[in-house]
Amino acid sequence: SAVISQKPSRDICQRGTSLTIQCQVDSQVTMMFWYRQQPGQSLTLIATANQGSEATYESGFVIDKFPISRPNLTFSTLTVSNMSPEDSSIYLCSVGGTSGFGELFFGEGSRLTVL
Amino acid sequence: GENVEQHPSTLSVQEGDSAVIKCTYSDSASNYFPWYKQELGKRPQLIIDIRSNVGEKKDQRIAVTLNKTAKHFSLHITETQPEDSAVYFCAALAYNQGGKLIFGQGTELSVKP
Repeated sequence: SAVISQKPSRDICQRGTSLTIQCQVDSQVTMMFWYRQQPGQSLTLIATANQGSEATYESGFVIDKFPISRPNLTFSTLTVSNMSPEDSSIYLCSVGGTSGFGELFFGEGSRLTVL
Repeated sequence: GENVEQHPSTLSVQEGDSAVIKCTYSDSASNYFPWYKQELGKRPQLIIDIRSNVGEKKDQRIAVTLNKTAKHFSLHITETQPEDSAVYFCAALAYNQGGKLIFGQGTELSVKP
């Protein structure tokens, strides 16, 4: 499976600020996905990051709040904008496996705490 | 759209016993069902998966079964060990929703030595 690096691994942020999370993959991948995991909860898909086109957002997530960039096939960023304490979560970057059957592999996650 | 329900939410077993976690899904078109293990503070790791053309798959102490008619699948862990303690997530590939993975709510497994 691909090696997926995320940074920052954790951060403490002030209400109203924005933070950009970076995801770097060691091989070219067609699709990258951003998930949110709220404390003690399951994984919720925020959006699919497509190279060369706008990200596709899931219901409940909007581009103004979670802008995503995908400048090439190995890199993506997720910005959490105008943060509030409710945004305190782990944000996970993921990529599909090479089999094409749908398996996902996750980065280590970025744990954000908003005060 | 696809909905995945997972039970139980917590499970405590003695070391050496078996553990079973069950999931149901709603979309009959779903055709891929992975299981992830997430240890505290770590990323989810894929531990086993099953595709809709088989009914059972084993890998050492873990196995997954799939009943397409009833739309449910289960994770079986035999001879549990303390290092099996983690949160386990099932998921289903929502074929009719652009092929995205929909996760269950998670099961916190505790194996007591």
